[in-house]
Amino acid sequence: EVQLLQSGGGLEQPGGSLRLSCAASGFTLSEYALTWVRQAPGKGLEWVSSISVSGDITYYADSVRGRFTISRDNSKNTLSLQMRSLRAEDTAVYHCARARRRETAVVVDAFDIWGQGTMVTVSS
Amino acid sequence: DIVMTQSPDSLTMSLGERATINCKSSQNVLFNTNRLNYLAWYQQKPGQPPKLLIYWASTRETGVPDRFSGSGSGTDFTLTISSLQAEDVAVYYCQQYYSPPLTFGGGTKVEIK
Repeated sequence: EVQLLQSGGGLEQPGGSLRLSCAASGFTLSEYALTWVRQAPGKGLEWVSSISVSGDITYYADSVRGRFTISRDNSKNTLSLQMRSLRAEDTAVYHCARARRRETAVVVDAFDIWGQGTMVTVSS
Repeated sequence: DIVMTQSPDSLTMSLGERATINCKSSQNVLFNTNRLNYLAWYQQKPGQPPKLLIYWASTRETGVPDRFSGSGSGTDFTLTISSLQAEDVAVYYCQQYYSPPLTFGGGTKVEIK
């Protein structure tokens, strides 16, 4: 089965750091652009960051730029999101998602495969 | 940034009725070179990740029932459920992938009367 398996997350204090990971099952993660999308409790979907197939192109939402870093290790078939200087407003379920098109030039796209989500709570 | 505005916020319909959800983008998402609209629709049920229903504004994802259809071009788009089923109760989102930052509509909650 084609799926994305997430790990990481949890409870962290404001100003702290957390790292989220996403691993592929049933497909080769290195062939697709990848994205993180978050959803605050009871709210809608918010795009966070995207990364190209090779990892040389990254995009960030203004709300996280300079604090979050997206990266990938194609040799290990994994995607990561390093989150620093966490704020209460970063509290959300974070999903990794796969670009629908398997094209090297694609960085942003519709998302056809989603991870199950991992909760990040920022609170003192 | 491209702002995506959905309407209505919620919709309560009877089983078998036609449901229509609208999505308006603040900028054109039609790419002139390939004449494709960079617009997708998702369905999200409680406790689940979103599910891709439609991409290129009107292309149904594999396995999506044909009662779901997408239409529109440029800045105005519509998701139609031709005959509402109980399993269609969910929140629906549009998303533009024309240019980063990628943006989603605020969502439309569909319920059964």
